[in-house]
Amino acid sequence: QVQLQQSGPRLVKASQTLSLTCAISGDSVSSNFAAWNWIRQSPSRGLEWLGRTYYRSQWINDYAMSVKSRVIINPDTSKNQITLQVNSVTPEDTAVYYCTRGLGYGTFDIWAQGTMVTVSS
Amino acid sequence: QSVLTQPPSVSGTPGQKVTISCSGSSSNIERNPVNWYQQVPGTAPRLLINRHNPRPSGVPGRFSDSKSGTSASLAISGLQSEDEADYYCAVWDDSLSAPVFGGGTKLTVL
Repeated sequence: QVQLQQSGPRLVKASQTLSLTCAISGDSVSSNFAAWNWIRQSPSRGLEWLGRTYYRSQWINDYAMSVKSRVIINPDTSKNQITLQVNSVTPEDTAVYYCTRGLGYGTFDIWAQGTMVTVSS
Repeated sequence: QSVLTQPPSVSGTPGQKVTISCSGSSSNIERNPVNWYQQVPGTAPRLLINRHNPRPSGVPGRFSDSKSGTSASLAISGLQSEDEADYYCAVWDDSLSAPVFGGGTKLTVL
């Protein structure tokens, strides 16, 4: 079955870059049917979609307007994984970050275990 | 503040039927299929109902959904203690070109 395994640091200093990796098993990052998303959850902001990467004859990235200037999501086909970078973090970026498989229209059928990331000021 | 509006909490006794509402707009719920997620505290959300596979493997038939105009609802019949969790609606928003979530509803089984 499809599984997602996240890894990355749980503590980041303000103004630095948050980086997380999501390893995919049981599916391909280059799938023509799925998109690979990052979603975060915090008490103040609830569930917030950050962006996605997917392959449809070429690689396409979409980002939420609220974070577009600071977020980069990249596929890594050699390792069948995706990465998340959030630049210039502030304490407001403190949240649980989830990697998910998306099927379109807000349908996220597979979720990783989540990573609680704390931004220290 | 979330794009989709849900009641903060609902409650019911075992065996009862409860309904959780999700209010949106013409750019999201009215135009696109609504998804529902269940989240037990400390775990990742779990997909309950969606357009691709209305009830994923392992989701009991007690869960059902409906939609009318700019609002949607999740109904849980034959309430069980294991249903105690947070529930979220999610839908694609055509104006934002992004999926949006409700603020979540905490279900308490009394």
